[in-house]
Amino acid sequence: DVKVTQSSRYLVKRTGEKVFLECVQDMDHENMFWYRQDPGLGLRLIYFSYDVKMKEKGDIPEGYSVSREKKERFSLILESASTNQTSMYLCASSPPEGSGEQYFGPGTRLTVT
Amino acid sequence: SQKIEQNSEALNIQEGKTATLTCNYTNYSPAYLQWYRQDPGRGPVFLLLIRENEKEKRKERLKVTFDTTLKQSLFHITASQPADSATYLCAQSASGTYKYIFGTGTRLKVLA
Repeated sequence: DVKVTQSSRYLVKRTGEKVFLECVQDMDHENMFWYRQDPGLGLRLIYFSYDVKMKEKGDIPEGYSVSREKKERFSLILESASTNQTSMYLCASSPPEGSGEQYFGPGTRLTVT
Repeated sequence: SQKIEQNSEALNIQEGKTATLTCNYTNYSPAYLQWYRQDPGRGPVFLLLIRENEKEKRKERLKVTFDTTLKQSLFHITASQPADSATYLCAQSASGTYKYIFGTGTRLKVLA
């Protein structure tokens, strides 16, 4: 079974702090994704990566950056956390393009106060 | 731009009945449609994928159909159980892109 893990289930940070969210997958997938999920808005793509050190912006990259130094690990960085970044953050991975399905981690509920 | 639309109203059905959830897409026909289950506070779990050249896919009590004429996918759960209560998300992806578009999900409640 594919396993995607995220470093924290719940996180509380203060405005202006730098926040790191870590994601690890154990299935040797090339593609990894970071989404945020807000009520009524569904999942919105922040960034994705199709290979080590490769990344592309999604729909809402502002205020975020990512890092992929190893194939199994994809990190999301909030450079200076703001209250409008309070959300559920979901990491996902998928096999090479063609199979379609994504495998999600359990999510990190981030609250910025 | 392409959109995925799901009924935002909750669906309540009696245990043992078949639940049918709808996913409509605009514009072009996606290469793949996927269905996911999401429990409160958890990440989505992949259930089924159907390709645009497939009409129907089954897995145990689950069935997905894909109608490119209606621009619609239907997701059926037969002999539904209270444990099937969750939010179900529809998503589309296309060949040659890493972009997935998700619907906002439909909440299903199966009443004992």
